[in-house]
Amino acid sequence: EPEVTQTPSHQVTQMGQEVILRCVPISNHLYFYWYRQILGQKVEFLVSFYNNEISEKSEIFDDQFSVERPDGSNFTLKIRSTKLEDSAMYFCASKGEYYGYTFGSGTRLTVV
Amino acid sequence: QQQVKQSPQSLIVQKGGISIINCAYENTAFDYFPWYQQFPGKGPALLIAIRPDVSEKKEGRFTISFNKSAKQFSLHIMDSQPGDSATYFCAASGEGSARQLTFGSGTQLTVLP
Repeated sequence: EPEVTQTPSHQVTQMGQEVILRCVPISNHLYFYWYRQILGQKVEFLVSFYNNEISEKSEIFDDQFSVERPDGSNFTLKIRSTKLEDSAMYFCASKGEYYGYTFGSGTRLTVV
Repeated sequence: QQQVKQSPQSLIVQKGGISIINCAYENTAFDYFPWYQQFPGKGPALLIAIRPDVSEKKEGRFTISFNKSAKQFSLHIMDSQPGDSATYFCAASGEGSARQLTFGSGTQLTVLP
């Protein structure tokens, strides 16, 4: 069964540093997403990406965040200057033309 | 308007029992209602989903009941098993071309052996 692959599985970074979280979506999917989940809380939408541009973003996705699809397979989330409150599990997801979302296993980001 | 409210926060059920988790929404533009199962350290995995044109959908031991007029939907897990112990999230999507999901707050289900 096709999978969404995320790397790294765990990233520890110092406050103020830049981090890049990487994702390889399912190859024939059209929509790409980042969600985050603060420990013990619900999953929150960050951003969606379609046709090589951001289609929607939430209030959480401020100027510190950016996304990129640098080639035909990777989808990245960059946090420019991390804050303690950015510590969370970040999930990449992709979906095809209809509703079928597939989530990756996540990257646990710890900001110290 | 965009919230999806989920209850209960936690649920303990005996093996073989029925687990019931409820969700309510306000945004009438939502037209897709999935349930996700999440194990510790893993991403949410789609369990079952329903569109508002039907009132019930069953897949194996899992059933979604949907009440459009009340704007509520629920997940029923029949013959609950210890392996079902996980966190369950309801979600909804509809508006916007990208159809992002709005998640409920989650229910931690524990099935006792």
